[in-house]
Amino acid sequence: QVQLVQSGAEVKKPGASVKVSCRASGYTFTNYDINWVRQATGQGLEWMGWMNPNSGNTVYAQKFQGRVTMTRITSISTAYMELSSLTSEDTAVYYCARRLGGTCAGDYWGQGTLVTVSS
Amino acid sequence: SYEVTQPPSVSVSPGQTASITCSGDKLGEKYASWYQQRPGQSPILVIYEDYKRPSGIPERFSGSNSGNTATLTISGTQAVDEADYYCQTWDTSTAVFGGGTKLTVL
Repeated sequence: QVQLVQSGAEVKKPGASVKVSCRASGYTFTNYDINWVRQATGQGLEWMGWMNPNSGNTVYAQKFQGRVTMTRITSISTAYMELSSLTSEDTAVYYCARRLGGTCAGDYWGQGTLVTVSS
Repeated sequence: SYEVTQPPSVSVSPGQTASITCSGDKLGEKYASWYQQRPGQSPILVIYEDYKRPSGIPERFSGSNSGNTATLTISGTQAVDEADYYCQTWDTSTAVFGGGTKLTVL
């Protein structure tokens, strides 16, 4: 069965960077894009961008351009999202999701990774 | 940048039909997806490409999209359907979510 398993919770200081991993199993990793979405406590979903694991090509939301980097290691079916220059406003749960076919929809989601930014 | 708008909350009685809207400029010319999210859980895709249901999603969930509005309809609403619902669309290769609608079944 398709599974996306994310890395554990992180606590970071303002100005630092965080790198979240998303390990895929149950399907061919390079056949589906990976979305990254975040959700601050009590808030809605916010799309951050997506990556094509086959080519490594990425599309980032304008809000995060210059601060986010999405990468992958195909040999271990793992995608990564790194966010730099963290502030308290980046405190959120970060999700990876497999992008369904030619749509933007995420059909399988990871369990989420809580990133807390605090001094 | 493109934006879509949802009502903050919708209430429905058990067994009745709930409709949740998502509005955006010429949204009917784009694809809409819908997600269900219960507290503390990851989102679940319930509708994609306007009206298609992923496997495992009950038939009581349906979708439509025309003009400036996409609609998620839940027929015969059950208590288990109480959750937050988010619409999503994409424009020029970037995706956007609506602000979410809290569905209360009472």
